[in-house]
Amino acid sequence: AQKVTQAQTEISVVEKEDVTLDCVYETRDTTYYLFWYKQPPSGELVFLIRRNSFDEQNEISGRYSWNFQKSTSSFNFTITASQVVDSAVYFCALRDGGFKTIFGAGTRLFVKA
Amino acid sequence: SQTIHQWPATLVQPVGSPLSLECTVEGTSNPNLYWYRQAAGRGLQLLFYSVGIGQISSEVPQNLSASRPQDRQFILSSKKLLLSDSGFYLCAWTRSSYEQYFGPGTRLTVT
Repeated sequence: AQKVTQAQTEISVVEKEDVTLDCVYETRDTTYYLFWYKQPPSGELVFLIRRNSFDEQNEISGRYSWNFQKSTSSFNFTITASQVVDSAVYFCALRDGGFKTIFGAGTRLFVKA
Repeated sequence: SQTIHQWPATLVQPVGSPLSLECTVEGTSNPNLYWYRQAAGRGLQLLFYSVGIGQISSEVPQNLSASRPQDRQFILSSKKLLLSDSGFYLCAWTRSSYEQYFGPGTRLTVT
């Protein structure tokens, strides 16, 4: 069965610190997609990144980077030099062969000035 | 470009009253559409999804229902609201690459 685990419920950092959000997933399919979404205080979820199961190349976008490791079934998200505007709830998600996307419980990130 | 709309933005309804939330997508055709609910401080609960007009799959056996009368319109309804129906309702659509794009959401408070 599909499952996404975000073990960190809340993380608090001081501005300019680096922070890594963990995501561990379970699926029996060999073809699947992994995602990260950001939910700022306004509430609307914003898509950040998609990764295909056959592409383990890590990705960097500005201060954001993602580390995908199939061997450990993990898809971790790192924010470098965090800023107050990064404060949000971050969701990791998984979609395999069906129409549904399974979301993790989310990690609430507080970045203090 | 594609846009997703939801209304109303906020709603306060008494227990036992009906509900109708609407979601429309612009700029795409034949999207997969989804309704989620998020309780305060919690994760996302998938309520319904639809892969085409008139096709609805339900994930929760509660007093909620969904309909898709047009290709880009998705409606969430209830005949009688419960206190437990309070929450943040999000509509989303997917494109072929599977990432979901969410609407601004509706905050429902049942009193």
